[in-house]
Amino acid sequence: DVKVTQSSRYLVKRTGEKVFLECVQDMDHENMFWYRQDPGLGLRLIYFSYDVKMKEKGDIPEGYSVSREKKERFSLILESASTNQTSMYLCASSLSVGGLTEAFFGQGTRLTVV
Amino acid sequence: RKEVEQDPGPFNVPEGATVAFNCTYSNSASQSFFWYRQDCRKEPKLLMSVYSSGNEDGRFTAQLNRASQYISLLIRDSKLSDSATYLCAVNKNTDMRFGAGTRLTVKP
Repeated sequence: DVKVTQSSRYLVKRTGEKVFLECVQDMDHENMFWYRQDPGLGLRLIYFSYDVKMKEKGDIPEGYSVSREKKERFSLILESASTNQTSMYLCASSLSVGGLTEAFFGQGTRLTVV
Repeated sequence: RKEVEQDPGPFNVPEGATVAFNCTYSNSASQSFFWYRQDCRKEPKLLMSVYSSGNEDGRFTAQLNRASQYISLLIRDSKLSDSATYLCAVNKNTDMRFGAGTRLTVKP
């Protein structure tokens, strides 16, 4: 059973704090993704990674960075949290077989920046 | 223009109805296509992959039209338990992008 685990379900942080969101997958997937989900806007891709130490910008990378030092772990970093980064953050992973196979999601982290 | 677009709905249908969702994508090089289901306050979960020849899983049928760059999902004989948000997903190379989702409510 594929498991993608995000370190926190709920987080409350102050404006200006540096925030780390951690994601771990146990299925040896090459590809990992970070999305944020907001009402009416759906899932928006922040960053993705197709290999260790590799990262690619998604559609909304501003204000975020990522780290992938090990294959199973993909971290999202909010360098200086702002209130407009209050959102649900979802991590996902998938295999590459030709194109990508289905993405498996973590349970999500609801981040509130005050 | 968004890479993946869906009609957000909401779709409100009676039990037993047939309902169809469409999703368009902008990149003709897209390789893999999926429909996901997301229940309230839960993460998205795969409903079905979409194959070039079309595929069916019980009451659910998915179609891909590469020429017109859209995928579709047909739900027959809707059940109350089908109420959820349905998201399409499109993959090109190593990224995966989602539509904003279509909300379906099936009513008794």
